[in-house]
Amino acid sequence: DARVTQTPRHKVTEMGQEVTMRCQPILGHNTVFWYRQTMMQGLELLAYFRNRAPLDDSGMPKDRFSAEMPDATLATLKIQPSEPRDSAVYFCASGLSQLDTQYFGPGTRLTVL
Amino acid sequence: QKEVEQDPGPLSVPEGAIVSLNCTYSNSAFQYFMWYRQYSRKGPELLMYTYSSGNKEDGRFTAQVDKSSKYISLFIRDSQPSDSATYLCAMRYYGGSQGNLIFGKGTKLSVKP
Repeated sequence: DARVTQTPRHKVTEMGQEVTMRCQPILGHNTVFWYRQTMMQGLELLAYFRNRAPLDDSGMPKDRFSAEMPDATLATLKIQPSEPRDSAVYFCASGLSQLDTQYFGPGTRLTVL
Repeated sequence: QKEVEQDPGPLSVPEGAIVSLNCTYSNSAFQYFMWYRQYSRKGPELLMYTYSSGNKEDGRFTAQVDKSSKYISLFIRDSQPSDSATYLCAMRYYGGSQGNLIFGKGTKLSVKP
């Protein structure tokens, strides 16, 4: 049963701390997306990669957020320094291409105090 | 005006009722339309996908697209308590770097036994 996995599932941290979220896409999927979901804004695209190269990160606050794919089985989203307004659920999704169905992971629920 | 508008609900119906969920959009360049279902504390999962005006049926679910009115709907027949979830519409342009999805904020549905 192929699934996208995300770690950690929950993270509580204090303002100013670094947060790293990890995602393992479905094996064989070459496109990876990072989304943020809040009650106010809904689901927003932060960045996406194809074949490990960033294609679009225009949705991401560049001064504190960074996204990378060190290899085909791992995508990371880092926030440094974190702020209370970053509190949200962060989803990773993967697909065979940017036009194909996106399969979402279970999310990382981040709370920044 | 947001590109995609969706009534957040919540919507509460008795078991067996017909449910109608709707989204409107402002950009006629959207060509692909999807409905995702998101259970509490889970990631969204694709429910229906269509790219043409008209109806598409899958079991108890029917997706309807009216491009002239920029309006899409999801109908659920014989609704079940297991249908209780948040339903997000999503849409995208055709191809290239515009291949990423634009989501509605979601409508929370509760089906009471």
